Amino acid sequence: KQEVTQIPAALSVPEGENLVLNCSFTDSAIYNLQWFRQDPGKGLTSLLLIQSSQREQTSGRLNASLDKSSGRSTLYIAASQPGDSATYLCAVTEKEKGADGLTFGKGTHLIIQP
Amino acid sequence: NAGVTQTPKFQVLKTGQSMTLQCAQDMNHEYMSWYRQDPGMGLRLIHYSVGAGITDQGEVPNGYNVSRSTTEDFPLRLLSAAPSQTSVYFCASSYLRGGGSPLHFGNGTRLTVT
Repeated sequence: KQEVTQIPAALSVPEGENLVLNCSFTDSAIYNLQWFRQDPGKGLTSLLLIQSSQREQTSGRLNASLDKSSGRSTLYIAASQPGDSATYLCAVTEKEKGADGLTFGKGTHLIIQP
Repeated sequence: NAGVTQTPKFQVLKTGQSMTLQCAQDMNHEYMSWYRQDPGMGLRLIHYSVGAGITDQGEVPNGYNVSRSTTEDFPLRLLSAAPSQTSVYFCASSYLRGGGSPLHFGNGTRLTVT
């Protein structure tokens, strides 16, 4: 069974720092990987989607990389701002599941200190 | 553009009661799904649909029913509520199935069963 792990579970850094969030998955037979952001009391917002054939995706200050062979993805946030404070989740879509439904990690709770 | 709309936002039920959680999307997405989010468990797939008239079970389907009579609506029915169904429920939709395109989430329904 696919398992998705996110480390660290929580992170607090001063404003302006560059930071990396980690996501690992146990089965490398995935179709794609998504990074989401969740604000308190809200739904999830898709940030970046990486297809299995891609190595990375970029959107503004965010960069996500994917290494299928090692079962890892990282989300890099440049020049962090207090507005980046949220919980970040990664999720993979598996080939074995018939490409329906995502398996989520439990998230990294990020606090950016002003 | 409303995106994915869920109602109600909050609900309290007594054990044994039934109710329907509503979900509607206005993006003409074929793929819709229901997740529940529990502390320490992450998000888990309940049911999903790849188009009108087609539904299938996810990871945790017991105690829930779904139907998909139109592209826009995907209601989730709790047949006989149990305390174990206390959770936050999210509806999500996407243009492509299997995580092939970004997943759009509603803001959730917080359900408490006493």
